[in-house]
Amino acid sequence: AQTVTQSQPEMSVQEAETVTLSCTYDTSESNYYLFWYKQPPSRQMILVIRQEAYKQQNATENRFSVNFQKAAKSFSLKISDSQLGDTAMYFCALRKAGKSTFGDGTTLTVKP
Amino acid sequence: GAGVSQSPRYKVAKRGQDVALRCDPISGHVSLFWYQQALGQGPEFLTYFQNEAQLDKSGLPSDRFFAERPEGSVSTLKIQRTQQEDSAVYLCASSLALLGSGGVTYNEQFFGPGTRLTVL
Repeated sequence: AQTVTQSQPEMSVQEAETVTLSCTYDTSESNYYLFWYKQPPSRQMILVIRQEAYKQQNATENRFSVNFQKAAKSFSLKISDSQLGDTAMYFCALRKAGKSTFGDGTTLTVKP
Repeated sequence: GAGVSQSPRYKVAKRGQDVALRCDPISGHVSLFWYQQALGQGPEFLTYFQNEAQLDKSGLPSDRFFAERPEGSVSTLKIQRTQQEDSAVYLCASSLALLGSGGVTYNEQFFGPGTRLTVL
């Protein structure tokens, strides 16, 4: 069975600062994908960043980057230069084949 | 092009009624996924199609839940004899199926806006 844990239900950050969201997971698989999704209030879920488990290099997408520690089964998301539009719920997810397992999310509020 | 669409956006049902939720994926997307998202929680996997084949239905919570995708495009999630615990947002997602390295299927999922089901 796959599990994903996000231990920070809520976080806040000042505009232009950096924030890190935590995610740990458990799986017996060696090949899988990890994702961070963003779900703004009353809007659709969108992909923020993805990481292939077989790659050691951490993924980066503009202001978003991850710290992937495979042995520790940790997959944190760093948001640099936070913007008001980053306010949303963030979900960490693990996928093997067609099945994805999501964490319960972290609500991030960016304050002006 | 158009994204994933779902209808209805909101559905109120009396306990015991049957409901049908529709998902229109992005044209050409091979894979289609259904999730159930309870208030304040992350989405939970229900089922997954590749074209018209239902490859994984391990997440369907009971035999009251049934999903189909007969022509490999539009999908319908049907819930029979609805119960209050079925109240949730039902999300649909679609993707192109791409075979990644190591035999792992990688595909970016595009989500629809969801159908909010309230069972009274």
